[in-house]
Amino acid sequence: GAVVSQHPSWVICKSGTSVKIECRSLDFQATTMFWYRQFPKQSLMLMATSNEGSKATYEQGVEKDKFLINHASLTLSTLTVTSAHPEDSSFYICSATGTGSTYEQYFGPGTRLTVT
Amino acid sequence: AQRVTQPEKLLSVFKGAPVELKCNYSYSGSPELFWYVQYSRQRLQLLLRHISRESIKGFTADLNKGETSFHLKKPFAQEEDSAMYYCALSGSSDKLIFGTGTRLQVFP
Repeated sequence: GAVVSQHPSWVICKSGTSVKIECRSLDFQATTMFWYRQFPKQSLMLMATSNEGSKATYEQGVEKDKFLINHASLTLSTLTVTSAHPEDSSFYICSATGTGSTYEQYFGPGTRLTVT
Repeated sequence: AQRVTQPEKLLSVFKGAPVELKCNYSYSGSPELFWYVQYSRQRLQLLLRHISRESIKGFTADLNKGETSFHLKKPFAQEEDSAMYYCALSGSSDKLIFGTGTRLQVFP
């Protein structure tokens, strides 16, 4: 149980376009979802926290208008990278906590974004 | 400020040798500490958490509040333990603060 999926697993897009990444909890209801960014050989950096039905809370330094997060249901959160630039190329990982679980986060496999 | 420090980027040992992956934290309250592991080409997964005080795959970690440390230990390393290990801290919210990770290589 407690499986989180991400789609797509990798995506290549051109500068200036927008890309949407989906994060789904497959067998549990995710009250909270988290979005991380990971550069090569570096740690995960939390970008934002989203709760179902409310606005996401962004970490300091993360542009809200560039990284749009929608948590429309208890099983789906989306991250849209708007007007992508090459420096947005990274590995984006989501995680989710379920109802009744304290602090344990279940991680998705990640999405590799390459902006050309 | 909340911070997790893993001083070693890489730790290499031979099979059967003891392993200790260091983790120090900075937090003003009472945090919850975790170790996450990422095997090659797999997603990040929880290895253990300090409140459960259990041994997973032979690994243990004790929270030392005096030294603000949460080192991960295993008495006899196995080749399948080779992976990336992240220490993480959670404070008053569900947010996790990750360390920079330590790559463990276990040679045969």
